Amino acid sequence: ETGVTQSPTHLIKTRGQQVTLRCSSQSGHNTVSWYQQALGQGPQFIFQYYREEENGRGNFPPRFSGLQFPNYSSELNVNALELDDSALYLCASRTGGRTEAFFGQGTRLTVV
Amino acid sequence: KNEVEQSPQNLTAQEGEFITINCSYSVGISALHWLQQHPGGGIVSLFMLSSGKKKHGRLIATINIQEKHSSLHITASHPRDSAVYICAVLLIQGAQKLVFGQGTRLTINP
Repeated sequence: ETGVTQSPTHLIKTRGQQVTLRCSSQSGHNTVSWYQQALGQGPQFIFQYYREEENGRGNFPPRFSGLQFPNYSSELNVNALELDDSALYLCASRTGGRTEAFFGQGTRLTVV
Repeated sequence: KNEVEQSPQNLTAQEGEFITINCSYSVGISALHWLQQHPGGGIVSLFMLSSGKKKHGRLIATINIQEKHSSLHITASHPRDSAVYICAVLLIQGAQKLVFGQGTRLTINP
């Protein structure tokens, strides 16, 4: 039990639709990062939020956006879904300045 | 070249064998994580290292900061150890994000 919960666990969407994935972190985890893991690949960094502001972004287009809330939960939003967005989406949270990270179980998104 | 490289990418062994998975990185880090991922995707954190060696049951993880290299060892391997093992480093610069290796798929046959 990591204390990091992602929802939903599985999701099927149609190309062109929008999706919101959620991550609930432990109290005090003011840093949350999101990753996309395509089948057979390692997770790729999408972006990171620290105290509700984005402080790092990977090589993903603007249709990938996020929010972090004061209650340590966060969202990943993807607009205009494409087939290649089908992947496992992971969130990881930690307390800024500390090195131990905690991982959610992931949301598997399938775009058809 | 990826900032984090793992080897081998795939490893098949017989039950009872000693397993070693390697991770090399090219960036400055504050910590290195070894993670286990089973089919279905959920990630379990096995170790977090910033120096030296850690042991938990049949698992041992080592890190050499000077050589920028870490190894994960499994002694007396068992079919239930079959999973993808991922090395992830926490960058010391910038946004201090996690950078993941591509994973090593381990299969232990009975």
